[in-house]
Amino acid sequence: GENVEQHPSTLSVQEGDSAVIKCTYSDSASNYFPWYKQELGKGPQLIIDIRSNVGEKKDQRIAVTLNKTAKHFSLHITETQPEDSAVYFCAASKRGKLIFGQGTELSVKP
Amino acid sequence: DSGVTQTPKHLITATGQRVTLRCSPRSGDLSVYWYQQSLDQGLQFLIQYYNGEERAKGNILERFSAQQFPDLHSELNLSSLELGDSALYFCASSVGFRAGGIYEQFFGPGTRLTVL
Repeated sequence: GENVEQHPSTLSVQEGDSAVIKCTYSDSASNYFPWYKQELGKGPQLIIDIRSNVGEKKDQRIAVTLNKTAKHFSLHITETQPEDSAVYFCAASKRGKLIFGQGTELSVKP
Repeated sequence: DSGVTQTPKHLITATGQRVTLRCSPRSGDLSVYWYQQSLDQGLQFLIQYYNGEERAKGNILERFSAQQFPDLHSELNLSSLELGDSALYFCASSVGFRAGGIYEQFFGPGTRLTVL
């Protein structure tokens, strides 16, 4: 069935360092890959997404890469700040419904 | 603020009871999705509606049902509640739905359901 694996489950970095979160999906028909940030007590917030016809997308300190052949996609956050601390979820989508990874708890230490 | 609203924010009830969760999508959005978030299952897709019609179903229990009304708000009904139904329930909305189309989904703040 459809499955998204996300690693690592927890990630601790020093302020200013980079953070990388990786996901693997199983359904080769997936064509849309969003990333969400969830802060405590709030709903998931869309931070960046990539479509299957694009290999890389960047938005200020955040970038996402997609390798369709390997069915891998990754989130890169540069120059991390304490306010980046949250749980990050990757997802893969086919025909609208999102299949989520298990989440990565990112902690940025000042 | 995503523009998606959900009520109530918290709900505490007993096993065997029935509850209704409500969602209003962003202005102009025609599609509504429901997700369940629990510690053991993570974020799971339940069901999607587009302009009043059911479009996709995920791992939704038979005890759960949903509908989307002409004003586009949606309700998720959970009945014969069990302890294991305790979770966060999120609603998301998107502009539309077209086979093969890609639409960003924006999530509401969620309803925390506690079944005692």
